[in-house]
Amino acid sequence: EAGVTQFPSHSVIEKGQTVTLRCDPISGHDNLYWYRRVMGKEIKFLLHFVKESKQDESGMPNNRFLAERTGGTYSTLKVQPAELEDSGVYFCASSQEWGIIAGGADTQYFGPGTRLTVL
Amino acid sequence: TQLLEQSPQFLSIQEGENLTVYCNSSSVFSSLQWYRQEPGEGPVLLVTVVTGGEVKKLKRLTFQFGDARKDSSLHITAAQTGDTGLYLCAGIYGQNFVFGPGTRLSVLP
Repeated sequence: EAGVTQFPSHSVIEKGQTVTLRCDPISGHDNLYWYRRVMGKEIKFLLHFVKESKQDESGMPNNRFLAERTGGTYSTLKVQPAELEDSGVYFCASSQEWGIIAGGADTQYFGPGTRLTVL
Repeated sequence: TQLLEQSPQFLSIQEGENLTVYCNSSSVFSSLQWYRQEPGEGPVLLVTVVTGGEVKKLKRLTFQFGDARKDSSLHITAAQTGDTGLYLCAGIYGQNFVFGPGTRLSVLP
C-alpha cells in the first residue's frame, strides 16, 4: 500500500510569488491534515479535512494560505503571496479516523514533507 | 509558549548505552504519542499511551505515561546506531494535535 506522498519535495521561491503544495493521502483515508515546522520550532497543526470538508482550520496562519481538497482525495495548500516567514517544512498526514480509537485506526501517517524556502 | 516540552534537546551517546528522554506539560492530556523522525522523512508513530501510569514496551524501547497524564518518558536500552533520529512526543489538545519540539538522538558506533 502506498503511503502519503507530497509534491514537490523542495521548493525555492522569491518573496511575493505563489507556491502550491500537493498531498496525496493513503487511499481510503477520510482525514487529511497539514502541519508546518519552521526553523527551530515544533511541528504545528495547520488544518484538518474530513473528506472534502474543513473540519478545523484554526492553525492556518493568515489568509495568504488556502487549502483545498476537492473530491475528498488529494489536497493542495497554496501560499499567495509567500513571505520570508513562510519558509519551513510542510507535512501532510492522513488517517482513517480521528481521535482516540482502539486498534489504531486514528494513526496518522505522515508524508515526507515539502521543504519550502522563501528568499 | 510550548504546550509540550521535551528534554534533553540533544543527546549523543555511544552504542550500547541506555538513555531516557522526557516529554512534559503543565496540562493534562487524554493520550500522548511518541514518534521518530529521520532526515527527509515524516514522523512515524511508535506508540500511543492512554492510561495514567501505563507502561508500554516495544522491543528495547519502554514508554511510560505519568500518573497525572501530564508527562511521559521514553527509555531505550542498549541503544543502537539505528535508533538515531528525532524523537517527538505529541497529543490531542482540544481539537488539535500538538507536538513537542523533539529530542535529537545520535547514537555513535
